[in-house]
Amino acid sequence: DVQMTQSPSSLPASVGDRVTITCQASHDITNYLNWYQQKPGKAPKLLIYAASNLETGVPSRFSGSGSGTDFTFTISSLQPEDIATYFCQQYDNLPLTFGGGTRVEIK
Amino acid sequence: EVQLLGSGGDLVQPGGSLRLSCAASGFTFSSYAMGWVRQAPGKGLEWVSTISGTGRSTYYADAVKGRFTISRDNSKNTLYLQMNSLRAEDTAVYYCAKHLGPWTLQPFDNWGQGTLVTVSS
Repeated sequence: DVQMTQSPSSLPASVGDRVTITCQASHDITNYLNWYQQKPGKAPKLLIYAASNLETGVPSRFSGSGSGTDFTFTISSLQPEDIATYFCQQYDNLPLTFGGGTRVEIK
Repeated sequence: EVQLLGSGGDLVQPGGSLRLSCAASGFTFSSYAMGWVRQAPGKGLEWVSTISGTGRSTYYADAVKGRFTISRDNSKNTLYLQMNSLRAEDTAVYYCAKHLGPWTLQPFDNWGQGTLVTVSS
């Protein structure tokens, strides 16, 4: 199985801050990496697919990069509505696996 | 607009069975692989199972293999998860989710609202 290690697990930040989350895969997954946002009590929402492609309707302050085993997710200027938990997920191999999540909160 | 409406979650005793359903609308259901992802209380996301658009191919996480069965009725635009021999560790919110395309190895681009399964005596 491909293990996904996401860090940090918690990220206090201020509105307007640049926020960066990393995700490391235990094996080369090329660019088969997604990022999801989950707000409390809600279903996850796809933000980024194939490592760097912005899903339709997602604000451009969200971005992703990386390939192979190391990936980065960035919010260029944190907004109050971005407070959520973010998960990476690989889809190179079954079983599909997720990172442990990063809880972004207001400092 | 894509809509996925999950249902069937309940309190069930260990060893019991439950069937979850997910009614889909707003897209050509048979053209897309569908899956189930669960989330234990306060925990992360765990993929459970996926089925191809035709229903001919199914895939399972090791934790549920042999106990859960995924199926679909393309004439009713409905996805199912039959859960047998339930254990306490199966307690979670179960989300149905649509894959981006007809194949298994694709992102989940739409999710249902989730249905809670509690396994306890």
